[in-house]
Amino acid sequence: GAVVSQHPSRVICKSGTSVKIECRSLDFQATTMFWYRQFPKQSLMLMATSNEGSKATYEQGVEKDKFLINHASLTLSTLTVTSAHPEDSSFYICSAMPGGMNEQYFGPGTRLTVT
Amino acid sequence: AQSVTQLGSHVSVSEGALVLLRCNYSSSVPPYLFWYVQYPNQGLQLLLKYTSAATLVKGINGFEAEFKKSETSFHLTKPSAHMSDAAEYFCAVGGNRDDKIIFGKGTRLHILP
Repeated sequence: GAVVSQHPSRVICKSGTSVKIECRSLDFQATTMFWYRQFPKQSLMLMATSNEGSKATYEQGVEKDKFLINHASLTLSTLTVTSAHPEDSSFYICSAMPGGMNEQYFGPGTRLTVT
Repeated sequence: AQSVTQLGSHVSVSEGALVLLRCNYSSSVPPYLFWYVQYPNQGLQLLLKYTSAATLVKGINGFEAEFKKSETSFHLTKPSAHMSDAAEYFCAVGGNRDDKIIFGKGTRLHILP
C-alpha cells in the first residue's frame, strides 16, 4: 500500500517550453501533497505544499508563476514548469500524505532536462 | 523552527562492519524523526520513523535508530553492512502543524568489499 507514482519519469524539453509533471497516489487519498526539487548530490528542497481544492503554498524564493501547481483531486497533483530554462533542469520529487497521518510517501521522481 | 544536521557527507564501511550514520536535530516542538534511503535516480524510501513512542525504533533492512532527547540525536545503525546498503541516506524532522518535513543534507554510504 501507499504507492505514489510520477509521470513522466524522464523528460527532455527545449528552452521556453512548458512541462507538466503528474503525481498520483495510487491506493490512498492525499489531502496534502508536496513538491521537492533535488539538485545533483544534494538534499531535497521543498518547493511547495499542495492542498486539494485550494491554492498551493510556496516556499520562500520559489516563483509561483513559474512553477504552477494544481491539486484538483485527492489522488492527483500536477507541477507545470512554465517557460523552462536550462537552470530548471533538476530532479523533481513529489510526496503524498494520507489524511490523518504524519507520514509522507514519495514518488520515484522525474528527471527534467531543459536544452 | 526545525533543522537537521547530518555529520559526514560520506561514510565508508567494510562489508559486515557496523554502520553508524549520525543525525542531530533541532526542534521547538516534540519532533517526529525519519530516516529515508535513496538509490540513484529514484525517490525516497522510508527506513524508519520516531513519533514519540519507543525511543529505539526498528526499521526495514535491519536498520534501527535511537531517539536521545538529551543529545538531540537520532543516529541510524545497522550491525552488519551489506553491499546493497550503498545509497544516500537522509535524516528528516517534522512535527509541526503544517506537516512539513525538513531534510538533512544526506550521507552517502559506501560499502567496501
